[in-house]
Amino acid sequence: DQQVKQNSPSLSVQEGRISILNCDYTNSMFDYFLWYKKYPAEGPTFLISISSIKDKNEDGRFTVFLNKSAKHLSLHIVPSQPGDSAVYFCAAQGNTGFQKLVFGTGTRLLVSP
Amino acid sequence: NAGVMQNPRHLVRRRGQEARLRCSPMKGHSHVYWYRQLPEEGLKFMVYLQKENIIDESGMPKERFSAEFPKEGPSILRIQQVVRGDSAAYFCASSPTGGQRAFFGQGTRLTVV
Repeated sequence: DQQVKQNSPSLSVQEGRISILNCDYTNSMFDYFLWYKKYPAEGPTFLISISSIKDKNEDGRFTVFLNKSAKHLSLHIVPSQPGDSAVYFCAAQGNTGFQKLVFGTGTRLLVSP
Repeated sequence: NAGVMQNPRHLVRRRGQEARLRCSPMKGHSHVYWYRQLPEEGLKFMVYLQKENIIDESGMPKERFSAEFPKEGPSILRIQQVVRGDSAAYFCASSPTGGQRAFFGQGTRLTVV
């Protein structure tokens, strides 16, 4: 049962344009969401997160939006750069005690010059 | 301050052999997590350990897999009698406390031939 879903396996964007990566979740107990970026042969690197009490969090070129009623979040990258080309994982976490990260299957972003 | 160190980076084992994967957390981190990424999938939680204790092993297969985090030395993920289905990337992450964001290592890519 895939509790965190990234339905687009890949996305291609031109340099300078906006990249929008989507993520849906099914478990209403999730209350903290994270985006990780992963280059080939490396471990995931934390990018940005959002708590369920917010609907937006911004950090430089990266903004995460959360729509709790739709159980949907998205990552916006503006402007996109070739160095942003990587696999992006959405992850979710619950709110009681230790809660493991539940990852989506990832979206491969390719930003072309 | 070195990051999370995993070794070996690549490990090849024949079916039936044992695989031992090591993880040295970041300095000052006493919480370690192991995740597994099968081909074309997201990362899946396996086990959460503190020094000398297993806190949550709900993601560990019931047989052949074990993990430890001794008082001295790295955390070890041990897979006995490996099978082809164990081929995956195994990632370790660490954090200073259980509730904080974890930092990932570069992973060990296990190939069972």
